Amino acid sequence: ETGVTQSPTHLIKTRGQQVTLRCSSQSGHNTVSWYQQALGQGPQFIFQYYREEENGRGNFPPRFSGLQFPNYSSELNVNALELDDSALYLCASSLFSDMQASYEQYFGPGTRLTVT
Amino acid sequence: GNSVTQMEGPVTLSEEAFLTINCTYTATGYPSLFWYVQYPGEGLQLLLKATKADDKGSNKGFEATYRKETTSFHLEKGSVQVSDSAVYFCALWRRTGNQFYFGTGTSLTVIP
Repeated sequence: ETGVTQSPTHLIKTRGQQVTLRCSSQSGHNTVSWYQQALGQGPQFIFQYYREEENGRGNFPPRFSGLQFPNYSSELNVNALELDDSALYLCASSLFSDMQASYEQYFGPGTRLTVT
Repeated sequence: GNSVTQMEGPVTLSEEAFLTINCTYTATGYPSLFWYVQYPGEGLQLLLKATKADDKGSNKGFEATYRKETTSFHLEKGSVQVSDSAVYFCALWRRTGNQFYFGTGTSLTVIP
């Protein structure tokens, strides 16, 4: 069983640029969530994708957008980068169904984004 | 709004000591509650979960009970080991709106 993988591991961008981060879900999972984790803080929920559509969003501006592909891999795109976007970006996959009461997510190792 | 509040760390304990990490939440309805652990150099891992009031989640000697009356989900372990040194995150999931909330994390160091 392959776990959640993310690429790249590290990335340095300049303010105003755009960035794309990638995530491959764990085998058998159909849902991907993205989180932003600032240094010393807990993960902040950005959004989730299910069946290739956004299925829940946290308090992040529209310049944070995403995609989910038919193979359940996903991209996080951030436009007009700001210094405060510097953080660890985590991807988590899960198997979601409308009837389930719980929600177990499996996290990738993250992409460290630095905006200068 | 919805939120999770954890006790601030860092926490340092001697091996075999009793551990409690406090977690309280604010949410409407009946969220599911989780504890995640992040070992040094590794990603977040689910440690345990509880989906309704009075449920007790347990794993690897850790336990937490979903207390609706006190809106709490405190993590406990009777005898910690050096290998338990990690950062622990309390989290909740609300089905309505499909929203996830994490606490700020509590760093635990266990010394021999």
